[in-house]
Amino acid sequence: EEQLLESGGGLVQPGGSLRLSCATSGFTFSNFALSWVRQAPGKGLEWVSTSSGGNRWYADSVKGRFTISRDSSKNTLYLQMNSLRAEDTAVYYCTKPGNDAFEIWGQGTMVSVSS
Amino acid sequence: QAGLTQPPSVSMGLRQTATLTCTGNSNNVGNHGAAWLQQHQGHPPKLLSYRNDNRPSGISERFSASRSGNTASLTITGLQPEDEADYYCSAWDSSLSVWVFGGGTKLTVL
Repeated sequence: EEQLLESGGGLVQPGGSLRLSCATSGFTFSNFALSWVRQAPGKGLEWVSTSSGGNRWYADSVKGRFTISRDSSKNTLYLQMNSLRAEDTAVYYCTKPGNDAFEIWGQGTMVSVSS
Repeated sequence: QAGLTQPPSVSMGLRQTATLTCTGNSNNVGNHGAAWLQQHQGHPPKLLSYRNDNRPSGISERFSASRSGNTASLTITGLQPEDEADYYCSAWDSSLSVWVFGGGTKLTVL
């Protein structure tokens, strides 16, 4: 069974940094794209970033502040978030795209940016 | 990055049929098709359909999806109380190289 497990969320002050992790299992990590999608409290889903092979894509709202990376030895996806803003407050989901859709989702990790 | 357009809310009666819509453009829905996700309060989203009209294993046949031009639709027949949830559409936008979502439709089963 394919599984995704996020960790690393928490409370951080504006301007601070946080690194999220997504531990994966049940599939060959290096063969598949992985993404981060977030959801602000009471709001809809927003795509954040995708890593596939050597390519990375970012939403304009996080470009230059967030960096997606992956460690194949640990089957883990990361999201380094710098210069955090209040509007980055959200549940961050790790998700596995496939067939032009987000097929598998983790349970999410909450990030709160507040002073 | 412009998203897809969904009506904010739809209400239908128990055992009735609800049709949700999602409008994009020729760079996303019209070219790559749409996927539909269901999200219950406090839970992660769950994929209901992909590439317009394909259902993952385990998804009820009461959920069916289609596409006409740049508009995708999700039809839910025989509405049940557990169908009350938020529904999102998504698509890859090949012009912008981004994934886009609709704003979500809150389905209320009366």
